[in-house]
Amino acid sequence: GAVVSQHPSRVICKSGTSVKIECRSLDFQATTMFWYRQFPKQSLMLMATSNEGSKATYEQGVEKDKFLINHASLTLSTLTVTSAHPEDSSFYICSARPGTSGAYEQYFGPGTRLTVT
Amino acid sequence: SQQGEEDPQALSIQEGENATMNCSYKTSINNLQWYRQNSGRGLVHLILIRSNEREKHSGRLRVTLDTSKKSSSLLITASRAADTASYFCATPSGYALNFGKGTSLLVTP
Repeated sequence: GAVVSQHPSRVICKSGTSVKIECRSLDFQATTMFWYRQFPKQSLMLMATSNEGSKATYEQGVEKDKFLINHASLTLSTLTVTSAHPEDSSFYICSARPGTSGAYEQYFGPGTRLTVT
Repeated sequence: SQQGEEDPQALSIQEGENATMNCSYKTSINNLQWYRQNSGRGLVHLILIRSNEREKHSGRLRVTLDTSKKSSSLLITASRAADTASYFCATPSGYALNFGKGTSLLVTP
């Protein structure tokens, strides 16, 4: 089946630093990738939609200058949390939609646990 | 914005019992999906039910969809300790998904 990986699986960083999270589709090409955020014991909230070769579309309330998304190839999207603060600590999950899939098909990565100290 | 609301928020049962989780949503949909998430892990897709379907089965899972009531249910039969996880319903938002708040299921041996 289709596999999506995320790297790193967990990261601890200091306030003010930037952290990059990678999302890769391993055995398919993903024209669209999505970034979600999940706080402890809560649901997933869509942050942004990333289309290969174009600018990401951010959900209302998500700061595009703080959460930089780059979808440079059909198998890789990156999320950079800039000038991280403790309130950015969260579980970040990406998903990828195959370019040749039906409208409903997408695959989720295992998530990245970010802790900002 | 969140579309789905699951209930109960938490459910504790013993192995062998059935677990039923409900999901309500607000707008018209053309499909609804259920996912499982083990603690601190990613999501596992369980089942998709289309708007023209009323019921769907997959192994020990049974999903129903009532579009008139804008609700869905997930039934896990003969539960096992390994079914302990959070369960989310999700409805389409463009090509992305809107997730409900989830039901935390604990199955004790």
